Amino acid sequence: NAGVTQTPKFQVLKTGQSMTLQCAQDMNHNSMYWYRQDPGMGLRLIYYSASEGTTDKGEVPNGYNVSRLNKREFSLRLESAAPSQTSVYFCATQPGQGPYNEQFFGPGTRLTVL
Amino acid sequence: GNSVTQMEGPVTLSEEAFLTINCTYTATGYPSLFWYVQYPGEGLQLLLKATKADDKGSNKGFEATYRKETTSFHLEKGSVQVSDSAVYFCALSGQAAGNKLTFGGGTRVLVKP
Repeated sequence: NAGVTQTPKFQVLKTGQSMTLQCAQDMNHNSMYWYRQDPGMGLRLIYYSASEGTTDKGEVPNGYNVSRLNKREFSLRLESAAPSQTSVYFCATQPGQGPYNEQFFGPGTRLTVL
Repeated sequence: GNSVTQMEGPVTLSEEAFLTINCTYTATGYPSLFWYVQYPGEGLQLLLKATKADDKGSNKGFEATYRKETTSFHLEKGSVQVSDSAVYFCALSGQAAGNKLTFGGGTRVLVKP
């Protein structure tokens, strides 16, 4: 089992360009999450999807959109990249909505916006 | 809202030293508490968790006790190894809708031989 996979691993964009970060899981988990990681700030939630067909905003959703394509896949789109979006992006999954469940993380995508 | 505060790093130790990373939280109700570890170039992985007051989570020689009276969940290890060099994140999962994780800022630990 691959667990949680993310593509690409690295990406450099120019300001104003668009791109989509892909996330896929083979663990049959209902919930999926997108976080960004910035130095000294831990992980901040961008968007999440509690189940297939639903998405909700997290703490820092501005400048991003998401699509829960099916149960396996959850993509994050930057329509017009800005230097403030330079970060490491992590996708995570969780079996269900219970507070005791751990989240499983992908390896991350390192994005630089020039 | 929920928040997690953990000590800033980096923490530099010699092999076999004792490690403590402080973590305190603010939350309503009875959150679940977690420690995640991030090794260089990798995503986060769960190290241990505790779901109610006075629970002790343990894994790989690490321990943390859920202290509701002091709203703390400090991480400890009695004898660290070079392989423990990583960034450690304290996190909580509240009882609010969605049970989203709230993370602390992370503490980088460097263990020298």
